[in-house]
Amino acid sequence: QQQVKQSPQSLIVQKGGIPIINCAYENTAFDYFPWYQQFPGKGPALLIAIRPDVSEKKEGRFTISFNKSAKQFSLHIMDSQPGDSATYFCAASGGGSNYKLTFGKGTLLTVNP
Amino acid sequence: DAGITQSPRHKVTETGTPVTLRCHQTENHRYMYWYRQDPGHGLRLIHYSYGVKDTDKGEVSDGYSVSRSKTEDFLLTLESATSSQTSVYFCAISESPDRSGGQLFFGEGSRLTVL
Repeated sequence: QQQVKQSPQSLIVQKGGIPIINCAYENTAFDYFPWYQQFPGKGPALLIAIRPDVSEKKEGRFTISFNKSAKQFSLHIMDSQPGDSATYFCAASGGGSNYKLTFGKGTLLTVNP
Repeated sequence: DAGITQSPRHKVTETGTPVTLRCHQTENHRYMYWYRQDPGHGLRLIHYSYGVKDTDKGEVSDGYSVSRSKTEDFLLTLESATSSQTSVYFCAISESPDRSGGQLFFGEGSRLTVL
């Protein structure tokens, strides 16, 4: 059972574009939704996270949009740069298992110059 | 960067041999995790620890065992490696999900190839 579904699997945009990565979850007890960024050869690192009491959170060029009723959340990258090329993972936790993150399968983002 | 060291970083072994991967942290974080990363599967939790000698299974624990005898060390053992265990293994640590919001800090990974 895949509890967090992520799409698309890969995404190519031009510099300055706004890539959008979507995730959907099934467990209504989830209450923490982070996004991790991973560069080749490195471990994932926390990029931005949101809790369900807000519908949007911005940190620099990165924005999470959260739709609790639809059980969906998405990552938007404004004014994307080649340096943003990486694999992005959404994740979720909560409901008594808040110490265990369940990850989506990842999205490989390529930003062309 | 969080003080997490994984060893070895690369290992090639043969089917049926035992393998131990080590994760060492200098952050004194309570929670430690082992994930594996495979193309098309993302990151999947193998085992985790919530304290010294306190461990539990994740979603893909078959064929793996763990031990944590000290706060700073978390060992992952493949008793008899199989080709399906060829993967990149990541250790992660977390201070306290309630305080940190569940943020995981990852090591740089250990690439294991089982021939």
